[in-house]
Amino acid sequence: EPEVTQTPSHQVTQMGQEVILRCVPISNHLYFYWYRQILGQKVEFLVSFYNNEISEKSEIFDDQFSVERPDGSNFTLKIRSTKLEDSAMYFCASNQQGGRTNQPQHFGDGTRLSIL
Amino acid sequence: AQTVTQSQPEMSVQEAETVTLSCTYDTSESNYYLFWYKQPPSRQMILVIRQEAYKQQNATENRFSVNFQKAAKSFSLKISDSQLGDTAMYFCAFGAGGTSYGKLTFGQGTILTVHP
Repeated sequence: EPEVTQTPSHQVTQMGQEVILRCVPISNHLYFYWYRQILGQKVEFLVSFYNNEISEKSEIFDDQFSVERPDGSNFTLKIRSTKLEDSAMYFCASNQQGGRTNQPQHFGDGTRLSIL
Repeated sequence: AQTVTQSQPEMSVQEAETVTLSCTYDTSESNYYLFWYKQPPSRQMILVIRQEAYKQQNATENRFSVNFQKAAKSFSLKISDSQLGDTAMYFCAFGAGGTSYGKLTFGQGTILTVHP
């Protein structure tokens, strides 16, 4: 079964540095998402991406964050000038039809981001 | 905006017994979907079961079933014949339907431990 893949599995970065988290969604999916889960807390929506642009974003997704689909396969989340509170697990997800059907989002295994 | 509430931070059950996890939600949407996701210690997000709001029949997936009470905005998950592999964090999630881009709103999660 096709999977969403995320790299790296664990990223350790110094505070203030930039980090790029990478995702390869399932190939025929059109809607892409990033979620964040701070340790012990719930999963929070960050951003959705469709047709090469951001379709929706949460209040967490401020100017520090950006997303890009630089080629036909990768979907990246960039965090500029990282802060301690950015430490979390970041999940990428994708699905084919957005909210138009009950098709679930397929999640990657996550990238654990640790800011020192 | 939607909210999802899981009022049970932790639950435990003996192997082979039945357990029910609670979830309530609040929305003004008329077209939406509800999901239960499982997150084992490996931190993957795995779909357990889904329910369309317009369907009166409760969804069933092998040992997993839901009790969907639309008027009460309640969506509980019943796990029958619990197995050790069911030990995980369980998240209830809401997804708006129709023309939405499909972002998911998650509850706080319930940690389920299955004891031998």
